[in-house]
Amino acid sequence: KQEVTQIPAALSVPEGENLVLNCSFTDSAIYNLQWFRQDPGKGLTSLLLIQSSQREQTSGRLNASLDKSSGRSTLYIAASQPGDSATYLCAVRRRALTFGSGTRLQVQP
Amino acid sequence: GAGVSQSPSNKVTEKGKDVELRCDPISGHTALYWYRQRLGQGLEFLIYFQGNSAPDKSGLPSDRFSAERTGESVSTLTIQRTQQEDSAVYLCASSLGSSGSSYEQYFGPGTRLTVT
Repeated sequence: KQEVTQIPAALSVPEGENLVLNCSFTDSAIYNLQWFRQDPGKGLTSLLLIQSSQREQTSGRLNASLDKSSGRSTLYIAASQPGDSATYLCAVRRRALTFGSGTRLQVQP
Repeated sequence: GAGVSQSPSNKVTEKGKDVELRCDPISGHTALYWYRQRLGQGLEFLIYFQGNSAPDKSGLPSDRFSAERTGESVSTLTIQRTQQEDSAVYLCASSLGSSGSSYEQYFGPGTRLTVT
């Protein structure tokens, strides 16, 4: 059974810092990995999707990497802003998505 | 439509009642998924539809839960004889395809179910 773990569970940083969120998964037989953000009381917003054949994806200040063989992904956020405050979820897909428990990020102004 | 829509946005029901939750996927998306998120917990997969194939029901927690999908459009998740532990946000997602491919899933805003 696939298990997804995210570290740290919570993170508080001052505005402007670069930061890294970690995700690990136990079964490397995945089609893709997605990073989402979840704001309180709202649904999920997809940030980046990395296909199993890819190593990384970039969107603006976000960069996600995937090392499928070791079962790891990182989400790098550059020059963090208070608007980045949210819970970040990592999910891997075989058929449906298996989610990690998330990293709750607080960026202080 | 522009995105995945779900209704109602909030539902409060008494223990023992049946509830129906609705999902309208993005037009043209053949795959549809239901997940739930209980308070303080991660998202759990419930059920998945792909085209005309038999649905993958492996995530349904009990036989009180069922779901239907009309063709490649709207889906309804039904919970019979609701229990307090069914209280959660129920999220629906859709994607262009699924099996053997790497399609991105798009999520609706969810239905917050509270069982009193």
